[in-house]
Amino acid sequence: DGGITQSPKYLFRKEGQNVTLSCEQNLNHDAMYWYRQDPGQGLRLIYYSQIVNDFQKGDIAEGYSVSREKKESFPLTVTSAQKNPTAFYLCASSIDGARGAREQYFGPGTRLTVT
Amino acid sequence: AQSVAQPEDQVNVAEGNPLTVKCTYSVSGNPYLFWYVQYPNRGLQFLLKYITGDNLVKGSYGFEAEFNKSQTSFHLKKPSALVSDSALYFCAESNFNKFYFGSGTKLNVKP
Repeated sequence: DGGITQSPKYLFRKEGQNVTLSCEQNLNHDAMYWYRQDPGQGLRLIYYSQIVNDFQKGDIAEGYSVSREKKESFPLTVTSAQKNPTAFYLCASSIDGARGAREQYFGPGTRLTVT
Repeated sequence: AQSVAQPEDQVNVAEGNPLTVKCTYSVSGNPYLFWYVQYPNRGLQFLLKYITGDNLVKGSYGFEAEFNKSQTSFHLKKPSALVSDSALYFCAESNFNKFYFGSGTKLNVKP
């Protein structure tokens, strides 16, 4: 089966702890993305990567960090600096990131709850 | 700044009736436009896209969308709604390597 996997599906953490969300794809896609989804707000871009060992900040990068050491993996770390981390996090990939004509394929999401 | 607007938070339609979910965009020039669907606690699924060419785009599950440059709109349509079409629908536009999503429209199809 080809696709994007995110783990875990549900994640609970105490305030002040860093947490890393996993995203893996076997579609051989160059570009990968992380979004945050809050009720009534649609999706907001956190970070994106067009190629291995390169990534750029999205619209709401503060309090988050990423790495892209392998083409198939794009983990997201939610740090203690993120003021309101409780949300539904979605990872996506596309064949390439250039020009924006390529549709994105999404993982099933991770729901993070921080108390 | 680029933005996508979905003016309706919710659309209600009876099964078998046609449905329309509205979307307007703001980018000038030639936009790349997309529709996605999301079922509860799931990721988004791609439905269709407009890049260039014919203004009427056909996609998955019988959905289609009409690109209207003069009205800067890209409304999603289906001739006959199914109860299983009930979900959250997102319109998006892209510019190079970034996507901009609307706030979503919840479609309720009643039997």
